[in-house]
Amino acid sequence: DAKTTQPNSMESNEEEPVHLPCNHSTISGTDYIHWYRQLPSQGPEYVIHGLTSNVNNRMASLAIAEDRKSSTLILHRATLRDAAVYYCSLNTGFQKLVFGTGTRLLVSP
Amino acid sequence: EAGVAQSPRYKIIEKRQSVAFWCNPISGHATLYWYQQILGQGPKLLIQFQNNGVVDDSQLPKDRFSAERLKGVDSTLKIQPAKLEDSAVYLCASSFGPADRETQYFGPGTRLLVL
Repeated sequence: DAKTTQPNSMESNEEEPVHLPCNHSTISGTDYIHWYRQLPSQGPEYVIHGLTSNVNNRMASLAIAEDRKSSTLILHRATLRDAAVYYCSLNTGFQKLVFGTGTRLLVSP
Repeated sequence: EAGVAQSPRYKIIEKRQSVAFWCNPISGHATLYWYQQILGQGPKLLIQFQNNGVVDDSQLPKDRFSAERLKGVDSTLKIQPAKLEDSAVYLCASSFGPADRETQYFGPGTRLLVL
């Protein structure tokens, strides 16, 4: 299965931007990059996805490297409610998502 | 719009007992997934249904796990007999279709503890 690598944890202060990196060096040309986040005692929640171009939505931005071997999720202004585990995953076809171990984001007031 | 519903939310059983989990996906969603999430790990896909047919069950331990999706709506996941290593959160998710860009919507999960 396609593998993603993320730092175990990151810290941020409230209202500061956060850049969450993800490496996916074995990505194939048709794999979509999906980001989900999981708050305590909840199921994962969709954040954003992309294929080749950078993407923006109301929650975040996704910056994809030109060679597609890495990507970065950008939270423009972190809030306390953004504290969660963020998963970078690859959609390897027919909606099969392969999740990594995720990055735990800690946000301080 | 109602989200993905799962029950029960918590279950404690002894090893070798059987257990069943229920999932009701978002109305109109053709694709349904069951994931297993062990503490400290990301979710792992167990089985994927497209309507009432199985698309992928390659990671389902078929000697003890079974799942069905009758009439292409609700689904049940069963473990019989349970082992200690089955202790995990079982997540159900659904999506409108199988396309690569479809968003998956997850339920709150069922937390299983096997003693």
